[in-house]
Amino acid sequence: DQQVKQNSPSLSVQEGRISILNCDYTNSMFDYFLWYKKYPAEGPTFLISISSIKDKNEDGRFTVFLNKSAKHLSLHIVPSQPGDSAVYFCAASGSDAGNMLTFGGGTRLMVKP
Amino acid sequence: DGGITQSPKYLFRKEGQNVTLSCEQNLNHDAMYWYRQDPGQGLRLIYYSQIVNDFQKGDIAEGYSVSREKKESFPLTVTSAQKNPTAFYLCASSIFRGIEAFFGQGTRLTVV
Repeated sequence: DQQVKQNSPSLSVQEGRISILNCDYTNSMFDYFLWYKKYPAEGPTFLISISSIKDKNEDGRFTVFLNKSAKHLSLHIVPSQPGDSAVYFCAASGSDAGNMLTFGGGTRLMVKP
Repeated sequence: DGGITQSPKYLFRKEGQNVTLSCEQNLNHDAMYWYRQDPGQGLRLIYYSQIVNDFQKGDIAEGYSVSREKKESFPLTVTSAQKNPTAFYLCASSIFRGIEAFFGQGTRLTVV
C-alpha cells in the first residue's frame, strides 16, 4: 500500500512557465515533507522541505505548498528552466513510521526550450 | 569536501555470486540507509542504521545483508538469495532519522 503517491509519471512545460508537481499521502501521522531532484544515473539531491506546522515554504524559484486537510503537497517551480528537467520525488516522514522517509514514485519533468 | 561516496559506479555479477557495495560518508552522520530504485519506480528502503553496530530491516530486506562497524561505513551485500538483484542502489545518510538525507551517486548492479 503506497503511502506517498505521485500520480503523474511525467510532466512537460515550456521554459519560463510554471511547473507544478503534485504529491498525495495517506498517513495522517506524516509531519515532515521533502522534495528531491534526481538526474539519470545520479543520486537524488535535496531541494526543499516543509513541516506540517506550515502551509508554504519558499526557496528561490521553488515553493512547496502543504494542504494537510487534503493530504496533498505540491512543488511549484517558477520560472521553469531546461536544467530543471529531471525526476522529482516527494518524501514524507512521521513518528509512527519510525521517522523513516517514505518516497513517492517520482514525476519526470521535461522543460522545453 | 564532505559527502557520501559509493563504489563502484557500475557492477556486474554472475548469478549465484554474492557482491558487496561500498558506502562511505565523512559528514559525521549517525543514520545511514540503503535504497533500491527500479526503472520507473520510487526508492524502496532495504536497510537502515541509526548508530554503529545497529541496523534494522527496511521494506525489502530479503536477500540483502549489511554491517555497521564504523560510523563512516555502511556496506551492503547482495546475496545469491536476492531473486531480482539488477537495480540501481543508493546509499544515504542523515544527522538523524526523518530529516534531509544526503545521497551518494549510486551503484548500478547488473546480474549477467
